[in-house]
Amino acid sequence: EDQVTQSPEALRLQEGESSSLNCSYTVSGLRGLFWYRQDPGKGPEFLFTLYSAGEEKEKERLKATLTKKESFLHITAPKPEDSATYLCAVQAGGYGQNFVFGPGTRLSVLP
Amino acid sequence: KAGVTQTPRYLIKTRGQQVTLSCSPISGHRSVSWYQQTPGQGLQFLFEYFSETQRNKGNFPGRFSGRQFSNSRSEMNVSTLELGDSALYLCASSPGTSGGSLYQETQYFGPGTRLLVL
Repeated sequence: EDQVTQSPEALRLQEGESSSLNCSYTVSGLRGLFWYRQDPGKGPEFLFTLYSAGEEKEKERLKATLTKKESFLHITAPKPEDSATYLCAVQAGGYGQNFVFGPGTRLSVLP
Repeated sequence: KAGVTQTPRYLIKTRGQQVTLSCSPISGHRSVSWYQQTPGQGLQFLFEYFSETQRNKGNFPGRFSGRQFSNSRSEMNVSTLELGDSALYLCASSPGTSGGSLYQETQYFGPGTRLLVL
């Protein structure tokens, strides 16, 4: 069975304090790994797609990396507006959209 | 380009009633997926529609159903509502492909419909 776990469950950082979020997965035939950001009461907002082990993608203060078993979302010098829940999802083999989401990491960045 | 839209945004129903939620995908997107999000279970996949056909289905009871129209708009129906159906229902669209197991597509989410069952 395809599974995604994320750690930590919650993370509190001071503004400017860099850290990393982890996403571990077991999936049959990974087609893609996705990172989303979700603000309270809103739909997830797409951040990154990773496909191959060793791949890295960057956007502003965020960088996502992928290995064969896990992905990291590195946050460099975060700001309070980076506070959100970060969701990781994997797209398994087969046809169509069969995303499996992790439980998310709730990030709080304090000024 | 307009994003994914969902209506209504909020809904209050009582147990035993049924509800229909609507989703309009991004223009040109042919695949629409539905998810249920609750604090305890997180985001769970309900089903996906592509070209008016259900292509994938999650592990939800038959009370949850959906359909897609020729313009790719989709509706989700929940019959005989239970208290546990209270959740944020999210719709996501992607360009869609007719095949290719190696093809990965990004899903773009709408704002969701918040359903409260009393």
